Amino acid sequence: KQEVTQIPAALSVPEGENLVLNCSFTDSAIYNLQWFRQDPGKGLTSLLLIQSSQREQTSGRLNASLDKSSGRSTLYIAASQPGDSATYLCHDFSGGYNKLIFGAGTRLAVHP
Amino acid sequence: GAVVSQHPSWVICKSGTSVKIECRSLDFQATTMFWYRQFPKQSLMLMATSNEGSKATYEQGVEKDKFLINHASLTLSTLTVTSAHPEDSSFYICSGIKRDSRGEQFFGPGTRLTVL
Repeated sequence: KQEVTQIPAALSVPEGENLVLNCSFTDSAIYNLQWFRQDPGKGLTSLLLIQSSQREQTSGRLNASLDKSSGRSTLYIAASQPGDSATYLCHDFSGGYNKLIFGAGTRLAVHP
Repeated sequence: GAVVSQHPSWVICKSGTSVKIECRSLDFQATTMFWYRQFPKQSLMLMATSNEGSKATYEQGVEKDKFLINHASLTLSTLTVTSAHPEDSSFYICSGIKRDSRGEQFFGPGTRLTVL
């Protein structure tokens, strides 16, 4: 059974810091891995999608990496801003709809 | 990106009534749509998977007679909470997979259901 774990569960940092959010999964046979952010009371916004054949994806200040052999993905946020405050979720799509798995999320607070 | 809308964004109803939530993919065809529920400070829990023109597949523990899902077209799926009770109060979110999008999911903004 696939399990997805996100560490840390919560993070509070001053503005400007570079951050690393971690996502680990137990089954390396993933199809793709997707990172989302969720603002309170809102839906999910897709940030980055990494296919199983890729090692990383970049979008602006965000960089996501995927290491299937170790069962890890990391989301790197450069020069954090207060607007980055949200819950970040990683999502593993293990090639079958009965294996849709979300991590519990990392609640990020960036203070001025 | 691709846009998914949900209607209504929030709803309050009396216990025993039924509530319908619509999920629409506005600028793409969603071959598959998913329905999730989320309780406060918890992650999303998949309720069911629906493919256009076929019956939904429900996750273990989700009552299919209580949560009716209809995926009438490639751009519309509906979730009807029948005979709602206070414990059904939750945040319901849908998502769609765009055809040929490598499995990337696009989420709606969610519907807050409160059952009195």
